[in-house]
Amino acid sequence: DSGVTQTPKHLITATGQRVTLRCSPRSGDLSVYWYQQSLDQGLQFLIQYYNGEERAKGNILERFSAQQFPDLHSELNLSSLELGDSALYFCASSPRELSYGYTFGSGTRLTVV
Amino acid sequence: TQLLEQSPQFLSIQEGENLTVYCNSSSVFSSLQWYRQEPGEGPVLLVTVVTGGEVKKLKRLTFQFGDARKDSSLHITAAQPGDTGLYLCAGYPSGAGSYQLTFGKGTKLSVIP
Repeated sequence: DSGVTQTPKHLITATGQRVTLRCSPRSGDLSVYWYQQSLDQGLQFLIQYYNGEERAKGNILERFSAQQFPDLHSELNLSSLELGDSALYFCASSPRELSYGYTFGSGTRLTVV
Repeated sequence: TQLLEQSPQFLSIQEGENLTVYCNSSSVFSSLQWYRQEPGEGPVLLVTVVTGGEVKKLKRLTFQFGDARKDSSLHITAAQPGDTGLYLCAGYPSGAGSYQLTFGKGTKLSVIP
């Protein structure tokens, strides 16, 4: 157990739907990162939050949004889902805004049918 | 264009053999990290290298950061089935304000008993 908790572990939904993925960071970590992993693209950075504020944005689609709450847990919202959004979504956390090394959760496998 | 190129993409070897995997870039990195990911799990940090020319050893694993901080290698001695997994390198490109930890696509290693 890495200390980073992601729920749900698996999610199957239809195209056009909206889902929310949840992440609880490791105790004491203030930064949360979201990554998308697909077979052809590898791990792609989506977004980072530090202590409740957005810090960096990667190639995140406009249909996707995220936030970090006062208790530091984070949610990634994916809307108007398309088949191509099927992937593994990972959350990671670290103690500081810029850290040498992240702790990853076990991921959420999203399947859009 | 992938910022970090990893090679080989796939590697299948017999238990007891030695192997080296590579992580290359045309960009300079302030640090490089290596992770191992097993099926159904998130990446787990193995090591961070910071100084050009640095060599770090972790039991049978030896990590090297290139002098120019553009490349890194991972050497495994006497590979064991437990070494099987996806090996990912990741780093922050040098430059102000770069908070995006960028990953290579990984080397998928299979060690056959």
